[in-house]
Amino acid sequence: GDKVKQSPSALSLQEGTNSALRCNFSIAATTVQWFLQNPRGSLINLFYLVPGTKENGRLKSTFNSKESYSTLHIRDAQLEDSGTYFCAAEAISGSFNKLTFGAGTRLAVCP
Amino acid sequence: ETAVFQTPNYHVTQVGNEVSFNCKQTLGHDTMYWYKQDSKKLLKIMFSYNNKQLIVNETVPRRFSPQSSDKAHLNLRIKSVEPEDSAVYLCASSNWGDQDTQYFGPGTRLLVL
Repeated sequence: GDKVKQSPSALSLQEGTNSALRCNFSIAATTVQWFLQNPRGSLINLFYLVPGTKENGRLKSTFNSKESYSTLHIRDAQLEDSGTYFCAAEAISGSFNKLTFGAGTRLAVCP
Repeated sequence: ETAVFQTPNYHVTQVGNEVSFNCKQTLGHDTMYWYKQDSKKLLKIMFSYNNKQLIVNETVPRRFSPQSSDKAHLNLRIKSVEPEDSAVYLCASSNWGDQDTQYFGPGTRLLVL
């Protein structure tokens, strides 16, 4: 939704290239999660972030809470990276921290 | 790793019918969630259950009600479905307090005719 804005909305990459996805927050995010929804519809968690950076294989993600954004870098894109990437910000709502999702970035990796 | 199980995978029904979706997690988590993913793929939280207590209810219509028998199960019942209820319903679980990532089930796709 509007509280979590993802860009770009869609992206096409050549196999082997690099790219970055971004999330901007208009809420006071305390943590950020990144998910990949594969073509079958399953949501796979990629990263759970407090402010800082994490790396896992060809993926690297940063959460900057002061500037209210998070990025997901994909290095050496592979065909199996195709799917929809969601970021979700966790913000305190009453006594409960709930996740607010962005609208997603649809990524297609082409041979 | 599939540790959040949902049934059925798909369900087709007519307006006005009652449906019930099941969710079970084997991760030992103490919090479970239901999300609705609409045709535009927007994910919105509907309910959260922590230790059998409803702690979030995001202004969903009254025809939706979560049902929990224990912390490993959270079912979703919809009385008298409407066409706008057609969507994918995703169940998730996490550990409350550990600020842990949420693990999602494969989803139940509902089509209301």
